[in-house]
Amino acid sequence: GEDVEQSLFLSVREGDSSVINCTYTDSSSTYLYWYKQEPGAGLQLLTYIFSNMDMKQDQRLTVLLNKKDKHLSLRIADTQTGDSAIYFCAESRWAADKLIFGTGTRLQVFP
Amino acid sequence: NAGVTQTPKFQVLKTGQSMTLQCAQDMNHEYMSWYRQDPGMGLRLIHYSVGAGITDQGEVPNGYNVSRSTTEDFPLRLLSAAPSQTSVYFCASKGEGQGYNEQFFGPGTRLTVL
Repeated sequence: GEDVEQSLFLSVREGDSSVINCTYTDSSSTYLYWYKQEPGAGLQLLTYIFSNMDMKQDQRLTVLLNKKDKHLSLRIADTQTGDSAIYFCAESRWAADKLIFGTGTRLQVFP
Repeated sequence: NAGVTQTPKFQVLKTGQSMTLQCAQDMNHEYMSWYRQDPGMGLRLIHYSVGAGITDQGEVPNGYNVSRSTTEDFPLRLLSAAPSQTSVYFCASKGEGQGYNEQFFGPGTRLTVL
């Protein structure tokens, strides 16, 4: 079945860039998402990309998609302490239906 | 708009007890879903609904029942709770049709089964 994998932890210094990686197996994935979860809270959509795109930029966030390698990344420029959270990659075949989530990457930002 | 609301926020059950997790949305969304979140496993889809009167199973439906009598509400029922159902439960909703590409998540219900 479909599988989405992420590394579990990432630690960066405040002001540096963070890059969170994700790989997926379903070649039929049409939509790929990045969600942020702060402690004790629900999931907040950060951004998403269609499978026919290679890159999407939204302020400090840059999403890169390598469809051949089924690899998705999220780059956060000028990382701040408020960016400390768990980041989930997710994919679906139809617009946000039946999301398949990765395990989540816990980002820790230190001063 | 309140968005997606869930009650209760926390619940402790004993094995074999039953309970209903409540979920409501005020965005007139047709699509609603339930996920569970376990450490190291991300979120997994339990059940979903594409509209009132229509429900279907997700990846991990065993031990859970749902119904959808109104557009606004999508309750999740545990008929006989088991310790394996200890988890954080999230409800989500989204609109149907072109341009609706985001699921909106509720704040979650943390359930412990002893």
